[in-house]
Amino acid sequence: EDQVTQSPEALRLQEGESSSLNCSYTVSGLRGLFWYRQDPGKGPEFLFTLYSAGEEKEKERLKATLTKKESFLHITAPKPEDSATYLCAVQAPQAGTALIFGKGTTLSVSS
Amino acid sequence: DADVTQTPRNRITKTGKRIMLECSQTKGHDRMYWYRQDPGLGLRLIYYSFDVKDINKGEISDGYSVSRQAQAKFSLSLESAIPNQTALYFCATSGTVSNQPQHFGDGTRLSIL
Repeated sequence: EDQVTQSPEALRLQEGESSSLNCSYTVSGLRGLFWYRQDPGKGPEFLFTLYSAGEEKEKERLKATLTKKESFLHITAPKPEDSATYLCAVQAPQAGTALIFGKGTTLSVSS
Repeated sequence: DADVTQTPRNRITKTGKRIMLECSQTKGHDRMYWYRQDPGLGLRLIYYSFDVKDINKGEISDGYSVSRQAQAKFSLSLESAIPNQTALYFCATSGTVSNQPQHFGDGTRLSIL
């Protein structure tokens, strides 16, 4: 069964304190791994797509990496505005382009 | 204006009522999806459509139906609502090229009493 597991469920950081979020997955024939950010009362906002092991993508203070079994979202020197829930999803071949989501990591950054 | 618009944004209704949630998009995408989000369970796929004539069931389609009225419109219906269908509902769209990201609306918060 295709699965996506994110850890930790919640993470509290001080402003400037770097850390990483984990997304482990089991899927046959990964077509893509996606990271989204979700703010309260909003829909998920697309951040990155990773396609193959070894690939990395960066955007401001965020960097996503991919191995054959997991992905990391590294947050460098976070700011309070980075507080959100971060969702990881994989594309499952048997469901076309539909996504299988993890439960998310809720990040709180305090100043 | 939002690329993916969902209406209503909030709805409170009673058990047994028929409810329709609507989604429209201006992104020109062929593919549209309905997901539901529950605390502790994450986002789960209800239905998806690759074009007007193509409708597919997702992981949790029981109790739901959909209609693809046009390329830009995809609606979700609850024929006889029950309290465990209380959730956040999201519509998403994507292009036809494989691996393109999905783009989400801001959701409908549905409460069934």
